[in-house]
Amino acid sequence: DAKTTQPTSMDCAEGRAANLPCNHSTISGNEYVYWYRQIHSQGPQYIIHGLKNNETNEMASLIITEDRKSSTLILPHATLRDTAVYYCIVRVAFDFGNEKLTFGTGTRLTIIP
Amino acid sequence: DAGVIQSPRHEVTEMGQEVTLRCKPISGHDYLFWYRQTMMRGLELLIYFNNNVPIDDSGMPEDRFSAKMPNASFSTLKIQPSEPRDSAVYFCASSLIVPKSSKAADTQYFGPGTRLTVL
Repeated sequence: DAKTTQPTSMDCAEGRAANLPCNHSTISGNEYVYWYRQIHSQGPQYIIHGLKNNETNEMASLIITEDRKSSTLILPHATLRDTAVYYCIVRVAFDFGNEKLTFGTGTRLTIIP
Repeated sequence: DAGVIQSPRHEVTEMGQEVTLRCKPISGHDYLFWYRQTMMRGLELLIYFNNNVPIDDSGMPEDRFSAKMPNASFSTLKIQPSEPRDSAVYFCASSLIVPKSSKAADTQYFGPGTRLTVL
C-alpha cells in the first residue's frame, strides 16, 4: 500500500470548515483513499473513501487532486465532537487478500471553542 | 445492531498469566480483524479472518499470541504467557464483503477496545 503523509496536528475554530490534507504521491491506479478518525478512548470510525472523483457524505467531503497524489478531507462545520485523530489510508479495495488497513500516525485535529 | 462487542473492557494481570480477549462481530459480517494500539507503535493489525478462516497473521508478534474464530459470531485473542510489553489497547473490527460495483464502502467497524495492563 502507498505511504501517506499528514501533518501531525491542526487546530480549527468551532463552526468553521476543517481542511485536513494528505499526501500520497506514490499511489497506484487501483488504490483508494480512505479516511478514518479516532476519538479519544474509542475505536476508529470510518468517514469516507474515494478513488478519483470528489465524494461527499453526511460526515465530510473528500477532494482528490486530478493526479491523485494528494487529497483533502473537509469537515464543513466543525464541532467540538470532531476533535480526534484523523487517519488517511491508501489501499487496494474490494480485493480479496487486501482487506487490511495500515494506519499511520494521523493528524490530531483540535476544535477550538 | 449493538455493533462490535468486546470483553472485557479493561484487564489487569500479572506477568506470566494467560489473558483471553473476546470479540463478537456484527451479525452477518464476513471479516474479523484484531488490532493493537500503543503509543510507540500506533495502531497495527495483528490478524484477520474471512468466514472464520485466518487470512493474514503476519502481524502477530510472536508465538505467545494466538487467535481463533470457532464460529461466525465469536473470536478470541489469547496471550500466554503475558508480558509487560503486551500492555496496549486491543481492538476488534468486522466488515462485510462488498462488491466493487455497489460503490458502498468496505467499511471496518471497530469495537470499543480492551485496555490490557500487564504488571
